[in-house]
Amino acid sequence: DTGVSQDPRHKITKRGQNVTFRCDPISEHNRLYWYRQTLGQGPEFLTYFQNEAQLEKSRLLSDRFSAERPKGSFSTLEIQRTEQGDSAMYLCASSLGRAGMNTEAFFGQGTRLTVV
Amino acid sequence: AQSVTQLDSQVPVFEEAPVELRCNYSSSVSVYLFWYVQYPNQGLQLLLKYLSGSTLVESINGFEAEFNKSQTSFHLRKPSVHISDTAEYFCAVTPYGQNFVFGPGTRLSVLP
Repeated sequence: DTGVSQDPRHKITKRGQNVTFRCDPISEHNRLYWYRQTLGQGPEFLTYFQNEAQLEKSRLLSDRFSAERPKGSFSTLEIQRTEQGDSAMYLCASSLGRAGMNTEAFFGQGTRLTVV
Repeated sequence: AQSVTQLDSQVPVFEEAPVELRCNYSSSVSVYLFWYVQYPNQGLQLLLKYLSGSTLVESINGFEAEFNKSQTSFHLRKPSVHISDTAEYFCAVTPYGQNFVFGPGTRLSVLP
């Protein structure tokens, strides 16, 4: 068990470019979450998957954001036409859950996005 | 919808003094409760959790938290802090089987 891994760790991009982040959860975990964290704030929920199904999306997730988990294993988060306000730490987490219960979420180290 | 309030954004405390970090939540359904810690330049790590059973839960490094359903609180305490406890602490809730909602965090600074 190598924990939750995220790639890349850092990304600098020009405004208007598209970026894609990858998350590999703990192998036996069926739930995968994406959060965004800015300096001095708590993680803000973006979306989560149970297996390959995207069960919930935050209103924070504009049309420029899309997430996939095609085979119920790794996930990607894409931001199209990046804006300076997208600069943040993007966190991925995974857990083992089913209807009515959930274990704790295990977090990756995050991908720090800087839009210049 | 659920929400989490951490009233103290920053808590400075001297080494070996006791500390309490407050967490209150709002939810119309039952929830699980968690405290996460984020050390400088590191990811979020689980500190302790309340899922069911005893309302007092403890971590391996001396922290404890008590679930109070009537007051919808889950305050974190430590009787004697160390310099190494300096970090950001986040309280989180999850309705049974759903996503995690985090508070804004409390920055604990332990002073020598």
